[in-house]
Amino acid sequence: KQEVTQIPAALSVPEGENLVLNCSFTDSAIYNLQWFRQDPGKGLTSLLLIQSSQREQTSGRLNASLDKSSGRSTLYIAASQPGDSATYLCAVPRSYNTDKLIFGTGTRLQVFP
Amino acid sequence: DARVTQTPRHKVTEMGQEVTMRCQPILGHNTVFWYRQTMMQGLELLAYFRNRAPLDDSGMPKDRFSAEMPDATLATLKIQPSEPRDSAVYFCASGFNETQYFGPGTRLLVL
Repeated sequence: KQEVTQIPAALSVPEGENLVLNCSFTDSAIYNLQWFRQDPGKGLTSLLLIQSSQREQTSGRLNASLDKSSGRSTLYIAASQPGDSATYLCAVPRSYNTDKLIFGTGTRLQVFP
Repeated sequence: DARVTQTPRHKVTEMGQEVTMRCQPILGHNTVFWYRQTMMQGLELLAYFRNRAPLDDSGMPKDRFSAEMPDATLATLKIQPSEPRDSAVYFCASGFNETQYFGPGTRLLVL
């Protein structure tokens, strides 16, 4: 059974810092991994999707990497800003070739000025 | 700017009452998901449709929950009778090309 964990559960950093969020999954037979952002009281917004054949994906100041063999993904946020404050969740398909996702519990990030 | 819409945004009801939540997926998306989010359990998948056909509702308590897609522009999630433990935020998402687009959620409180 696939399980997804995220460390740390919460993170508070000053503006401008580069930071790394971690995601671990128990079953390495995944065909993609996604990172989402959730603002308080809002739904989730997809940030990056990494296919199993890829090692990383970049979007602006965000860079997500995927290491299937070790069951890990990291989300790197460069030059963090107060607007980056949100909860970040990673998700993997529940089994191969399905749209059903299993979500991690999230990392709550606060970037203070 | 296409987006998933959900109504109502907030709902307070008494135990035993019927609750109906509605979702309008993004036009052209062929998958629709219903999720429930709580502090204790995180985000849980309740039901999943592809091309309006229900593919998986194993995450739902069958005796009280039901999910339908009467047409391509409307998905519904009903709880009857509602219980206090159903209090949560319910999200609808529509999917396209492996990416899911979430609505703003319905925050349900059952007293």
